[in-house]
Amino acid sequence: GAGVSQSPSNKVTEKGKDVELRCDPISGHTALYWYRQRLGQGLEFLIYFQGNSAPDKSGLPSDRFSAERTGESVSTLTIQRTQQEDSAVYLCASSLVRGGANVLTFGAGSRLTVL
Amino acid sequence: AQSVTQLDSHVSVSEGTPVLLRCNYSSSYSPSLFWYVQHPNKGLQLLLKYTSAATLVKGINGFEAEFKKSETSFHLTKPSAHMSDAAEYFCVVTQGNNNDMRFGAGTRLTVKP
Repeated sequence: GAGVSQSPSNKVTEKGKDVELRCDPISGHTALYWYRQRLGQGLEFLIYFQGNSAPDKSGLPSDRFSAERTGESVSTLTIQRTQQEDSAVYLCASSLVRGGANVLTFGAGSRLTVL
Repeated sequence: AQSVTQLDSHVSVSEGTPVLLRCNYSSSYSPSLFWYVQHPNKGLQLLLKYTSAATLVKGINGFEAEFKKSETSFHLTKPSAHMSDAAEYFCVVTQGNNNDMRFGAGTRLTVKP
């Protein structure tokens, strides 16, 4: 597609429920990132996918968080047993990996509110 | 590991006056540095990037930034602020593997009429 698409744009859930967030990267972009942005704060790296390599999961805050990506297409971020501190905007970005510093194209984000 | 510090959480300027958003970085190796802008309810957009070429980098919308290795700084400037510049600005550093991109906490720019 023309840009990075994320869904849902807004999600309100009850504490303890599982949620799944989806990211459609730009076609042909081999790299995909998930970030979390809490209110008034910077972006917190969560996970990075690059082609068929093992993902870099070093930013996932707990084992309640997981993400998958099939090939170089859609990715899903799953949060199990949500807690109130999970409330944030979850941003997905993709990039075309090539020599030199890569430019990320971001989606509009999925705003998660845990009641 | 690399990191960035954005020295001001909020900057307020009058329309038509200069803008200065400060960023200092820490990096063990030659870094790549970026500035991204986030307008309300919109995705982040790249303003400009530095990748060891010219130290003065020009970006979109009249913004530019200068890489100063001696000061480990990459401050963002614009000669004359416009109302549409009001947004959140993020300084980003990366080195080595591009998966390790570190974002600053952001600076909220307010432009007064």
